[in-house]
Amino acid sequence: DGGITQSPKYLFRKEGQNVTLSCEQNLNHDAMYWYRQDPGQGLRLIYYSQIVNDFQKGDIAEGYSVSREKKESFPLTVTSAQKNPTAFYLCATYGAGRQPQHFGDGTRLSIL
Amino acid sequence: DQQVKQNSPSLSVQEGRISILNCDYTNSMFDYFLWYKKYPAEGPTFLISISSIKDKNEDGRFTVFLNKSAKHLSLHIVPSQPGDSAVYFCAAGNNDMRFGAGTRLTVKP
Repeated sequence: DGGITQSPKYLFRKEGQNVTLSCEQNLNHDAMYWYRQDPGQGLRLIYYSQIVNDFQKGDIAEGYSVSREKKESFPLTVTSAQKNPTAFYLCATYGAGRQPQHFGDGTRLSIL
Repeated sequence: DQQVKQNSPSLSVQEGRISILNCDYTNSMFDYFLWYKKYPAEGPTFLISISSIKDKNEDGRFTVFLNKSAKHLSLHIVPSQPGDSAVYFCAAGNNDMRFGAGTRLTVKP
């Protein structure tokens, strides 16, 4: 069954710690994205990758890092430099042509 | 700088009536527009799309209208059902999509 798996669903972090959110896909899509959702705001693009070993900053990349070593995986690290990390994080993929993005079920990150 | 705006954070309608959700965008170069539906603690799921060469696309109870001159699109749900209660996001762009803040639709029985 093709899809996007984000784990964990809920994540708690102590201040000053880095934390990594997982995103795995078996849709064979080249492009992968990370978005952040805050109350009253749309989905804001953090980072995206259109091909393995390449990624680009989105609108709010500060305090985040990513890697794209495999087509199936696009982990997001929330570093201690991110001052307001509490949010709902969504991973998405994109195939080709005029097709909509597919989204995972998200990870909710909270600061203890 | 929000390029896509959904000015109504919430909308409440009676079951069986029409729901109209609105979305405005600023970039006239955008040529692809989508609506997503989102339930709590889940990712958005694709609902319907429209490209800039059309002004209307219909899929069952859902119709999207695009007014390019006004840079405005809307989603019509007719008839509305309680199961339609969710947050609806519009997205616009070319390759990189920009999302609105969402409108929470509540359909009352």
